Amino acid sequence: TAGITQAPTSQILAAGRSMTLRCTQDMRHNAMYWYRQDLGLGLRLIHYSNTAGTTGKGEVPDGYSVSRANTDDFPLTLASAVPSQTSVYFCASSDSASGDYNEQFFGPGTRLTVL
Amino acid sequence: GQNIDQPTEMTATEGAIVQINCTYQTSGFNGLFWYQQHAGEAPTFLSYNVLDGLEEKGRFSSFLSRSKGYSYLLLKELQMKDSASYLCAVRDRNYQLIWGAGTKLIIKP
Repeated sequence: TAGITQAPTSQILAAGRSMTLRCTQDMRHNAMYWYRQDLGLGLRLIHYSNTAGTTGKGEVPDGYSVSRANTDDFPLTLASAVPSQTSVYFCASSDSASGDYNEQFFGPGTRLTVL
Repeated sequence: GQNIDQPTEMTATEGAIVQINCTYQTSGFNGLFWYQQHAGEAPTFLSYNVLDGLEEKGRFSSFLSRSKGYSYLLLKELQMKDSASYLCAVRDRNYQLIWGAGTKLIIKP
């Protein structure tokens, strides 16, 4: 079982260009999340989806958009990249958004550099 | 605002015991998680506490005091492979995880 996959593994992107980070899970989890991780800071939630067809804004949503057309896929799009979006991006999923336990499982991450 | 505090870095000796503390101030509380993250890798789940007290899982234990807004992760019989960052995260009233910046644990032989 693959769990969660992310693509690409890493990318260098020119400022002003658009890009979609892909995330796919095969665990039939209802909830999915996008985080960014920057040195010295905790993981910060960008967007989330509690179930297919719904999305919500996290702590740092500006400059990013998401969609959740089905259970398995949760792509993150940067419409016009800026250097401050240079970060490591993690996709995660959990069985549900609430209830006991429901730990989040993480993909391997995408390292993005915006120049 | 919401805040999770944990030490930036700790050093311990192989075979010893280390305690990593986490204090939190969040809007509501629906559980506390500890994750391990090796350099260049994704976080992986270690433990979950929602009630006060100690949860033991092999060499790792996690403690929670909700009244004090405090948790710790206890690692026993340290091994070199335990060198990693340890992330404390609290699930707030909206069931969103608020993350600490992580504690980098360095194990020396």
